[in-house]
Amino acid sequence: KQEVTQIPAALSVPEGENLVLNCSFTDSAIYNLQWFRQDPGKGLTSLLLIQSSQREQTSGRLNASLDKSSGRSTLYIAASQPGDSATYLCAVKANYGQNFVFGPGTRLSVLP
Amino acid sequence: EAGVAQSPRYKIIEKRQSVAFWCNPISGHATLYWYQQILGQGPKLLIQFQNNGVVDDSQLPKDRFSAERLKGVDSTLKIQPAKLEDSAVYLCASSLVGQGARNEQFFGPGTRLTVL
Repeated sequence: KQEVTQIPAALSVPEGENLVLNCSFTDSAIYNLQWFRQDPGKGLTSLLLIQSSQREQTSGRLNASLDKSSGRSTLYIAASQPGDSATYLCAVKANYGQNFVFGPGTRLSVLP
Repeated sequence: EAGVAQSPRYKIIEKRQSVAFWCNPISGHATLYWYQQILGQGPKLLIQFQNNGVVDDSQLPKDRFSAERLKGVDSTLKIQPAKLEDSAVYLCASSLVGQGARNEQFFGPGTRLTVL
């Protein structure tokens, strides 16, 4: 059974810092991995999706990497801004046709 | 392109009452998911539909929860009777599945349920 963990559970940084969020999964036979952002009281917004054959994906100040062999993905946020404050969740899809398993999320606060 | 629509946005009921949530996925998305998200946790899949058929409902508490997607488009999730522990945000998501599709999920705004 796939299990997904995220470290740290919460993170507070000053504006302008570069930061890394971590996602670990137990079954390396994945189909893809998706990073989401969730603002308080809102639904999930897709940030990046990495297929199993890819090593990384980039969108603006965000870069997500995937290392299947070690069961890890990282989300790198460059030059953080107060508007980046949210909870960041990763979700792993084990195989084609199977459902996503979510991690518990990392709550990020970027202080002005 | 319109996103995933959900209603209502908020619902407060007393325990043992019934409640229903509605979801309309992105047009053309064959796969629809219902998730339950308890405060401080990641979403947990309740049920997954492919068109109007159920793909996975292994985590759906079938004694009180039911869901349907009769015409393969919009879907309804019902709780009857509700318990205190059902207080959560209920999220609907959809994805385009098929050869070459990325299987990327898109989420609606969610329905926040409070059971008193």
